Amino acid sequence: EADIYQTPRYLVIGTGKKITLECSQTMGHDKMYWYQQDPGMELHLIHYSYGVNSTEKGDLSSESTVSRIRTEHFPLTLESARPSHTSQYLCASSDNGGWTDTQYFGPGTRLTVL
Amino acid sequence: GQQLNQSPQSMFIQEGEDVSMNCTSSSIFNTWLWYKQEPGEGPVLLIALYKAGELTSNGRLTAQFGITRKDSFLNISASIPSDVGIYFCAGLGSGGSNYKLTFGKGTLLTVNP
Repeated sequence: EADIYQTPRYLVIGTGKKITLECSQTMGHDKMYWYQQDPGMELHLIHYSYGVNSTEKGDLSSESTVSRIRTEHFPLTLESARPSHTSQYLCASSDNGGWTDTQYFGPGTRLTVL
Repeated sequence: GQQLNQSPQSMFIQEGEDVSMNCTSSSIFNTWLWYKQEPGEGPVLLIALYKAGELTSNGRLTAQFGITRKDSFLNISASIPSDVGIYFCAGLGSGGSNYKLTFGKGTLLTVNP
């Protein structure tokens, strides 16, 4: 059973607001990831982190930013939300098995920007 | 970049039937993972495959890592209504990209009671 948590689960906000999506894991995993997923569609990697103070952009360009100050915490921030940011955001972490890394996902945050 | 072709895109079956779905790629992967996602939730890992040729079962689910390392299949036997969801395959690459999963586009499974 994976112990990875995301809050809030659902968020409806107005255009221009700053938001932070929280992700935390209690498994001591070094690697963490953020994916964006539209309904019924494939997952797109937008950010990842190898460990504390390490963050990289993923394959899909995103206006969001991330930080990794603590191993267990990997928040994602949107400085000024727009309707185009409406999507499901999934956080994941992986164990430290080198080439056998297996990613475990949180429950997701469904973001709607009006 | 690496791409996975997952098929079928969707399946509509009767309860009790067996299901088979697969993923193929032109790239080699070191690990194949199969996830199930239900509406409003994150993907849940079903089976992980780490060696070419490996055949692994998890209850009614069976998955295999293709011998060429470029494909994998997932079988579900005697389907039940709670099997409904989207099934994703994912491959973990080699070399410098071994931290990044490549996902298939998913197979939407509907089970008619």
